[in-house]
Amino acid sequence: AQSVTQLDSQVPVFEEAPVELRCNYSSSVSVYLFWYVQYPNQGLQLLLKYLSGSTLVKGINGFEAEFNKSQTSFHLRKPSVHISDTAEYFCAVSQNAGGTSYGKLTFGQGTILTVHP
Amino acid sequence: DAGVTQSPTHLIKTRGQQVTLRCSPKSGHDTVSWYQQALGQGPQFIFQYYEEEERQRGNFPDRFSGHQFPNYSSELNVNALLLGDSALYLCASSLGSIPYEQYFGPGTRLTVT
Repeated sequence: AQSVTQLDSQVPVFEEAPVELRCNYSSSVSVYLFWYVQYPNQGLQLLLKYLSGSTLVKGINGFEAEFNKSQTSFHLRKPSVHISDTAEYFCAVSQNAGGTSYGKLTFGQGTILTVHP
Repeated sequence: DAGVTQSPTHLIKTRGQQVTLRCSPKSGHDTVSWYQQALGQGPQFIFQYYEEEERQRGNFPDRFSGHQFPNYSSELNVNALLLGDSALYLCASSLGSIPYEQYFGPGTRLTVT
């Protein structure tokens, strides 16, 4: 089985400030990790993904995330946020080909990022 | 290049009725997954279809069923609707060789009254 915990349900931040959204996961096998963003009344858009290789991955809109296997974490960061980054962010995990849940995404509960002017 | 499309956008049904939701995958994708997103929650995996067969299933009752057509489009059917089935239903498409890289549609908002 696999699970995802997003440690903050809401994160308020001022424009141009840095932000970190925290995500921890558990799995019995190796995993692939993803961050998605959801704007109001829309579907999910893939921000970035970790499959293998470098533990620091860069995504769209200036976001990046770092995979830490020992701490089973995949935190999302942005050095300077904009008003337009206001949205809900979801961390997701999929087991790799050795797992029974291969290809299935398990999501966290989401973190609402609100950027204030 | 069209992304994932879903229809209808919104739907209102009464308890006990049946509903069918539709999804067309992103061009070139052959795998479709369905998720239920209740208000204030993360999406929950319902099932995944590949080569017209259900490849994976989440913890949803048999009232939830699906189908994939030869052109890779898919339907989600829910029978005997309950109030608790009210949610945003998301379809995601991917390639069969990398089913975990999923691209989502805008969703269908189902309200059961």
